Amino acid sequence: GAVVSQHPSRVICKSGTSVKIECRSLDFQATTMFWYRQFPKQSLMLMATSNEGSKATYEQGVEKDKFLINHASLTLSTLTVTSAHPEDSSFYICSARDYRAPDTQYFGPGTRLTVL
Amino acid sequence: DQQVKQNSPSLSVQEGRISILNCDYTNSMFDYFLWYKKYPAEGPTFLISISSIKDKNEDGRFTVFLNKSAKHLSLHIVPSQPGDSAVYFCAASRKAAGNKLTFGGGTRVLVKP
Repeated sequence: GAVVSQHPSRVICKSGTSVKIECRSLDFQATTMFWYRQFPKQSLMLMATSNEGSKATYEQGVEKDKFLINHASLTLSTLTVTSAHPEDSSFYICSARDYRAPDTQYFGPGTRLTVL
Repeated sequence: DQQVKQNSPSLSVQEGRISILNCDYTNSMFDYFLWYKKYPAEGPTFLISISSIKDKNEDGRFTVFLNKSAKHLSLHIVPSQPGDSAVYFCAASRKAAGNKLTFGGGTRVLVKP
């Protein structure tokens, strides 16, 4: 149980394009999902908290217009990197919290974004 | 200001021996602590957790110890296996802050056969 998927696993795009990443909880309902970013050899940095049916809460320094988050259902959250630039290249990971056991987050496999 | 720190960036241990990973935190309001294991280009895998009302939690080869007065927790893996080679992250959260996780910097563990 507690499986979280992400799609795509890898994406390469041109500068200026937008990229959408999906995060799904496969066997549980997640009222809350989280989006993280990891730079090489660094820890995971929380970008935003996504709550089903409401606006996402962004961490300080994260541009909400740059990183659009939608959490339309209890099993799906999407992160759209708008007008991507090379500095947005990173490893993006989502996590989901089972509403029945809210203390633990389960992570997706991550998405490697490369912006040329 | 790093609220969760893992001061050892790497650890090398012989197969069969004990691996001890350490983590320190500064925020006394944290009330839940977790350990995750991560392979390169993959998401973290949940290993074990502990509530601040406990001082020990055990699950198979993994035991987490919490010393609240010292604001310190540790993860013991025994016996260590080559498949345990990965980066281990400790994380802390507060219920009142929506259980958002604050991660340490990670410790890379290498288990030698």
